[in-house]
Amino acid sequence: GESVGLHLPTLSVQEGDNSIINCAYSNSASDYFIWYKQESGKGPQFIIDIRSNMDKRQGQRVTVLLNKTVKHLSLQIAATQPGDSAVYFCAENVSGGSNYKLTFGKGTLLTVNP
Amino acid sequence: GAGVSQSPSNKVTEKGKDVELRCDPISGHTALYWYRQSLGQGLEFLIYFQGNSAPDKSGLPSDRFSAERTGGSVSTLTIQRTQQEDSAVYLCASSLMGQGTEAFFGQGTRLTVV
Repeated sequence: GESVGLHLPTLSVQEGDNSIINCAYSNSASDYFIWYKQESGKGPQFIIDIRSNMDKRQGQRVTVLLNKTVKHLSLQIAATQPGDSAVYFCAENVSGGSNYKLTFGKGTLLTVNP
Repeated sequence: GAGVSQSPSNKVTEKGKDVELRCDPISGHTALYWYRQSLGQGLEFLIYFQGNSAPDKSGLPSDRFSAERTGGSVSTLTIQRTQQEDSAVYLCASSLMGQGTEAFFGQGTRLTVV
């Protein structure tokens, strides 16, 4: 999950297992959420997004769950592969307000062991 | 271009010198963001542009930092009198509308102040 400390939270899984990465977001007015994947030396890449009128959205091998009551977001990766090893960030945005910026969480380092 | 392009990819500068970092967003994207990422850390918001105007500059850490955008396209982030604590990866992102839409990131500029 997310942390406010200096070190990234880490999650280590075996290849083929399912991974769950958690994120606690801060703004109760946020209504748009994105998960990004950042590989070493690269910029973040979009994985999946979800709007607040949904509580679940599925992509290819990934599922995002949104619990607005407790302001919690999770990313589930099915059958995790070594290529999934990266830092994963959640981001939140208030789409209808004047605050345009995407606010990012601290990130979680996922390591997939072969 | 096909994606967000940033230049230079790496910059080493002496303390006290000024630096300019460039971002070429995806063609047609009206929103442009600058973020800063220190080693092993999350993404720190710096500034947001909608067209050529910057409705949110709240993340600029000091008056040594400034940014501009011309023609609704290229953006330049300028850091004057660089300090060692400015060392980080500076990431640029663009999106089609800004609010509630996915942002695409460049590869970043790694700035090292010695």
